[in-house]
Amino acid sequence: DSGVTQTPKHLITATGQRVTLRCSPRSGDLSVYWYQQSLDQGLQFLIQYYNGEERAKGNILERFSAQQFPDLHSELNLSSLELGDSALYFCASSPGQGHMNTEAFFGQGTRLTVV
Amino acid sequence: GEDVEQSLFLSVREGDSSVINCTYTDSSSTYLYWYKQEPGAGLQLLTYIFSNMDMKQDQRLTVLLNKKDKHLSLRIADTQTGDSAIYFCAESRASGGSYIPTFGRGTSLIVHP
Repeated sequence: DSGVTQTPKHLITATGQRVTLRCSPRSGDLSVYWYQQSLDQGLQFLIQYYNGEERAKGNILERFSAQQFPDLHSELNLSSLELGDSALYFCASSPGQGHMNTEAFFGQGTRLTVV
Repeated sequence: GEDVEQSLFLSVREGDSSVINCTYTDSSSTYLYWYKQEPGAGLQLLTYIFSNMDMKQDQRLTVLLNKKDKHLSLRIADTQTGDSAIYFCAESRASGGSYIPTFGRGTSLIVHP
């Protein structure tokens, strides 16, 4: 158990809908990273938050947004969903703001299926 | 992860050695990592190597780094069926004042009895 909790584990929704994925980082970790894992794209970095503030941005679509709350949990909001958004979404956390030696602790992921 | 490249599949017989290869592009990467993903689970750090090292050994795992060629490999000795998983190579890539773990697409290791 990595200590990172993601909910829900599975989500099935229709195209055009909006969903929210939730992540609770390990106790004491200030950074949260979101990744999308799909068969054709591999593990793509989406966005990082550190202590409530956006720190780095990757290949995140404009239809997607995230935030980190004062209690350090994070939510990833996906809107106007398309079939191609079906993927496994991982949250990871680390203690610092993203240093050269950063071990990321991963949650078990949320499997999103858009039908 | 498009700039960290790995082969997608590797099949070995139980008891043999497995070698998973990776190439990366960011020559400034100071730390390079191997993560393991078992079915239905998140990624878990297996080992890492600092860029001033050529080799690191940890029980059955040996990491080799060729910094000139930006080539990283993971050798698993005496591979067991329990080693069947997806193995990800990763580098810490600088991005806007932060370092982001950046992954390859993963190599699926299949171990046959």
